[in-house]
Amino acid sequence: EDQVTQSPEALRLQEGESSSLNCSYTVSGLRGLFWYRQDPGKGPEFLFTLYSAGEEKEKERLKATLTKKESFLHITAPKPEDSATYLCAVYDYKLSFGAGTTVTVRA
Amino acid sequence: GAVVSQHPSWVICKSGTSVKIECRSLDFQATTMFWYRQFPKQSLMLMATSNEGSKATYEQGVEKDKFLINHASLTLSTLTVTSAHPEDSSFYICSARVGNNEQFFGPGTRLTVL
Repeated sequence: EDQVTQSPEALRLQEGESSSLNCSYTVSGLRGLFWYRQDPGKGPEFLFTLYSAGEEKEKERLKATLTKKESFLHITAPKPEDSATYLCAVYDYKLSFGAGTTVTVRA
Repeated sequence: GAVVSQHPSWVICKSGTSVKIECRSLDFQATTMFWYRQFPKQSLMLMATSNEGSKATYEQGVEKDKFLINHASLTLSTLTVTSAHPEDSSFYICSARVGNNEQFFGPGTRLTVL
């Protein structure tokens, strides 16, 4: 069975303090690794899809990278509006989600 | 990106009643939609895969007679929680598949069963 583990569970950052979130996975056949952002009481918002080791994608202050066993979401110089829960999911004919990392950015 | 809507956004009902939740793809056609459930401080758990014009495929442990799914058109899937009980209170989220395997999610429906 596919397994997705995210760490840390929670992350408190000062505005401008860069950090990384980890997503480690075991899957029989990876057909995509997805990062989503979820605000409280809302559905997940799509951020990135990565398909192969070595692939990187960027969007504003976020950068996602992928290896054969894990993915990182780097947040550079975060702002308070980056506060959210970041979910990682692997696709192997269905999406399996990790528990998420809740990021709080203080001004 | 593709837009998915859900209705209602929240619902409160009495124990024993049935509740219907709608999921619509607004600017595209979706042959496959998915229904997830999310308990507080937990991640999304896939309940079932809804295919237009055919029966839904349920995940292990999900009662298909309790969670009725209908995908009658390419833009609408419905989830009916039958004879709801307090333990069914949760955040229900649908998604629609775009392309090979990307999914776009609706805003979710908060169900509270008294």
